[in-house]
Amino acid sequence: DADVTQTPRNRITKTGKRIMLECSQTKGHDRMYWYRQDPGLGLRLIYYSFDVKDINKGEISDGYSVSRQAQAKFSLSLESAIPNQTALYFCATQGRRGTDTQYFGPGTRLTVL
Amino acid sequence: GQNIDQPTEMTATEGAIVQINCTYQTSGFNGLFWYQQHAGEAPTFLSYNVLDGLEEKGRFSSFLSRSKGYSYLLLKELQMKDSASYLCAVRTSGTYKYIFGTGTRLKVLA
Repeated sequence: DADVTQTPRNRITKTGKRIMLECSQTKGHDRMYWYRQDPGLGLRLIYYSFDVKDINKGEISDGYSVSRQAQAKFSLSLESAIPNQTALYFCATQGRRGTDTQYFGPGTRLTVL
Repeated sequence: GQNIDQPTEMTATEGAIVQINCTYQTSGFNGLFWYQQHAGEAPTFLSYNVLDGLEEKGRFSSFLSRSKGYSYLLLKELQMKDSASYLCAVRTSGTYKYIFGTGTRLKVLA
């Protein structure tokens, strides 16, 4: 079983719709992250959370919100989707040790028409 | 500002050696990571450097010079399955945030 899962894996929606992307992990990690990836722009941080009560904005948080429902769950919402939010979205987790790396979920491909 | 630079694309031949460079300017440093990403898939961890020097892991090695803000990933005995994007990322100190480069797309030719 995958340690970091994302649902849905693919989603096509229309401009103005509200969308929620979900991430769950079984690694027991406190730190969770949401990124988007666009061709030629690399991975950009949207939001990150270091525990259930700690939510922080990343470099591109406008138009997005998040919820950390539990240590294992971190959801990303697009309140009113727009076409330039079409991208590949990744959730990632990390443990507390300095030597830990990030572990990525399989990604959600979102298309906003 | 924070910036990570790496070449956009590289091409190499099966069995050869290739070096992918990464230079960075970040506010704080708490480690440099290399990830491999096949098209449409999640990045997977390759290597981690926090001290200057070379780290070797099988066919992959990574080097770091903190004073120069420079790292490279060395791939030996290239295989077709090594065709992928290679992402350089710096973890900033204190915040455990990661800054990613745009990735280097490596094509391995037969």
